[in-house]
Amino acid sequence: QVNLLQSGAALVKPGASVKLSCKASGYTFTDYYIHWVKQSHGKSLEWIGYINPNSGYTNYNEKFKSKATLTVDKSTNTAYMELSRLTSEDSATYYCTRSRYGSYGTPFDYWGQGVMVTVSS
Amino acid sequence: DIVLTQAPLSVSVTPGESASISCRSSKSLLSSKGITSLYWYLQRPGKSPQLLIYQMSNLASGVPDRFSSSGSETDFTLKISKVETEDVGVYYCGHRLEYPYTFGAGTKLELK
Repeated sequence: QVNLLQSGAALVKPGASVKLSCKASGYTFTDYYIHWVKQSHGKSLEWIGYINPNSGYTNYNEKFKSKATLTVDKSTNTAYMELSRLTSEDSATYYCTRSRYGSYGTPFDYWGQGVMVTVSS
Repeated sequence: DIVLTQAPLSVSVTPGESASISCRSSKSLLSSKGITSLYWYLQRPGKSPQLLIYQMSNLASGVPDRFSSSGSETDFTLKISKVETEDVGVYYCGHRLEYPYTFGAGTKLELK
C-alpha cells in the first residue's frame, strides 16, 4: 500500500535551517512527483513546490523560492525539503504529497502524515 | 495567483441531512485539455488532507458516493448527502490549472 512517511517534529532556533524528509513506499517512486504543502496553525494550505524524482527538476511557488529547497535520493525513495533562515512565520505543519508524472492535472492522491516545525529560541 | 473563495466558512448539519459547500474561482479552471482543474479535499481533525474529488466531478477511490461535485468554469459545489459522523472536518477546494497551485480557505463542517 502507498505510504509517505515523514520525519518527526522539529524544534529549531530562529535563523537556523531544517531538513524534512518524506520516505515513499508501495509504488514506483519515479512515477510520481512529490509536492510539499504548508499549513500554518488553524490556517489553509499553501503549495510550496514539487520535484520530479526521476530528473530532479523542481518548480517552486515564488513565495517560497528563497525559503525551500527540494531534493530527492532515489536510492532510498526519499524526498527532502530544506527550509532556511527560519523565522516564526515558518512555524507550521508541512505535508508531502504526490501526483502522477506524465498525466495532466492528476490529483494529490496520497499525503504524508505531516511534520510540525516550531521555530523558537 | 488564482483565488478560490469558499462559502460558507462553517456549516452545522444534522446527521442524515445534506450539506453543500461552494467554491468560486477568480479565473476559469477549464484547461486547454478540456479538463476542469478543481479538486476537493477533506481534512479530518488532527489528520492529513485526503482527496475526495478530482477534475471537478470524479470521485476518488474509496470515497462514498454520498459525495458529489459539479460546477461551471468558475463556480463549483460539493454536495454531501446523508451526512455522517465521519464527514466532520474541514473541506478545501484546490486547483492545479497553473502555478502556483492554490487552495480555498476551507469550510468547517460540524454536526448539530
